[in-house]
Amino acid sequence: SQQGEEDPQALSIQEGENATMNCSYKTSINNLQWYRQNSGRGLVHLILIRSNEREKHSGRLRVTLDTSKKSSSLLITASRAADTASYFCATDGVETSGSRLTFGEGTQLTVNP
Amino acid sequence: GAVVSQHPSRVICKSGTSVKIECRSLDFQATTMFWYRQFPKQSLMLMATSNEGSKATYEQGVEKDKFLINHASLTLSTLTVTSAHPEDSSFYICSGTGGQGNQPQHFGDGTRLSIL
Repeated sequence: SQQGEEDPQALSIQEGENATMNCSYKTSINNLQWYRQNSGRGLVHLILIRSNEREKHSGRLRVTLDTSKKSSSLLITASRAADTASYFCATDGVETSGSRLTFGEGTQLTVNP
Repeated sequence: GAVVSQHPSRVICKSGTSVKIECRSLDFQATTMFWYRQFPKQSLMLMATSNEGSKATYEQGVEKDKFLINHASLTLSTLTVTSAHPEDSSFYICSGTGGQGNQPQHFGDGTRLSIL
């Protein structure tokens, strides 16, 4: 079952603005991952943050993790039209086996040129 | 980065047909592969987990006789949708991982299955 909830469900911004997406989960995790999906395509891994990490950066991406609140955020800075996609968080739960991931419902990001 | 190739990308066939989807890891050994189903504008729903050389583990509510999974080698897993019906129409996505903890999954590009 899906345990992740993301908000907002949809986000529309102008090119150059920052985009922030949030994810909440319910159980204890080993790590949390963010993926991107272009329409009709597979998922692309963006960033993985371990349960003992609080913040991680990769290029224009910044991910935070608050295990006390069971939440994470993904910030995309200086957005581009090419960032338009759906973004999913996924958790690797402590009680699940073999790298099994539970995906959130996703945020549809639209970056207008 | 690690590459997973999924074929075919699109299938349109008549009701009652069986359809096989292949998922290959091209540059790494996928000890574990996952099969997901995704409906429009929804998240991924895990159908089953397969480990090389052993039987797949199916999620609750997924019919194992309907969705046959074979993971015969470290680089290939197949999903066969048997006697497909219109309600099986969906987007099917596979992923693979080397199986070590704290490793991302690497996804194929998905298969759009349309049953007429």
